[in-house]
Formats: sequence, structure tokens, C-alpha cells
Amino acid sequence: KQEVTQIPAALSVPEGENLVLNCSFTDSAIYNLQWFRQDPGKGLTSLLLIQSSQREQTSGRLNASLDKSSGRSTLYIAASQPGDSATYLCAVRPRETSGSRLTFGEGTQLTVNP
Amino acid sequence: DTEVTQTPKHLVMGMTNKKSLKCEQHMGHRAMYWYKQKAKKPPELMFVYSYEKLSINESVPSRFSPECPNSSLLNLHLHALQPEDSALYLCASSRQGLVVGGGYTFGSGTRLTVV
Repeated sequence: KQEVTQIPAALSVPEGENLVLNCSFTDSAIYNLQWFRQDPGKGLTSLLLIQSSQREQTSGRLNASLDKSSGRSTLYIAASQPGDSATYLCAVRPRETSGSRLTFGEGTQLTVNP
Repeated sequence: DTEVTQTPKHLVMGMTNKKSLKCEQHMGHRAMYWYKQKAKKPPELMFVYSYEKLSINESVPSRFSPECPNSSLLNLHLHALQPEDSALYLCASSRQGLVVGGGYTFGSGTRLTVV
């Protein structure tokens, strides 16, 4: 059974700092990994999607890496801003052909202080 | 259109009421999902529809009844709910099968309170 772990559970940083969020998974037979952002009481916003054959994806100040063999992904946020404050979730999708189960980590709650 | 639209955004219902949650997408996705999320927890899968047919039911109580009338719509019918069913209900969709770009798109959710 796939298990996804996110470290740290919570993180508080001053504005402008670069930071790294970590995600690890136990079964390397994944199809892709997706990073989401969730604001309190809101839905999930997709940030980056990495296919299993890819090593990294970038969008603006965000960079996500994937090391499938070691079961790890990182989300790098450059020059953090108060608007980045949210919960960040990583989720892995298995290699199934039908509609499939995402396995989520417990999330990292990020606070960026002005 | 790259969105999943959920209605209503908020719902308060009594334990004897019948209500429905609605979800709509026009991205041509043929897999649609219902998730339940409690505070400070990740989403939990409830149901998966694949080509408008129910393919996964995660042992959800029968007071939750899903329906997929067509490839763009997904409903969740609610009846005789309990206070512990209060949660954020999220709808999601994705392309069917192992295709490039097979990420999930989530809606903004329905905040359900059962009184």
C-alpha cells in the first residue's frame, strides 16, 4: 500500500526566504506526482505535475523535483511572499489504466511572515 | 475552460433532509471523483466514475449516493446524514488512462454542515 509522508508538518519563515518542502513515498511504481496548494476552507489548486519519467518541473518561483528511485520529491519556493501562506499537499498517482486513487501526504502548513 | 465548478459553495442541512451536491467540468475529462476532507486532514476518496460508470466505491455509507448523468456532470445525493458527515466535499476530474498530462483538477468544494 502506497504511503506518502510530508516533512515538515508546519513551517514558518520570514518573507523573502527560499524554502524547501519534502515529500516521500514508499512505492516507486507511480505514474505521476502532483503538488497542490490549499487555502483554508478552499479547494485544491494544482501547482506542478511531474510525470514519472521527468526529473523536475518549474513554474515561476516554484520548482519541483522528482527522484522516483529513492521515492522523494521536493518543492522549492524562491523568494517567499506572505501570499504563499497555505497548506501544500503532494499526491502520487499509481500506474493504473482506469480512474485511479491519488494518495495524498498529510500536507505542510506554510506561514510566510511579513 | 479549465475549471471544475461545484455548487453550492455552502450547505446546511438537517439530519432528515435530502440534498444534492453538483459538479461540472467541460475539459473532456472522462474520470470524475468525489472526495471528503475533514479539517487539517488530506482529502479522502469516496467514489470514482470512469466513462460515466461507477468504478470505485470506497465503502461509503449508502446515505451518500453518487450519480453521473453525462460526461460533464457529477452529482452526490445526500440523505439522512449524521453530524459527523460535516466536511468539505471536493469534486475532481482527470483524463482517463495513462496519458501525458494526466493531472487532477479539483473544484473549490462544498462546505457541508449537518445539524
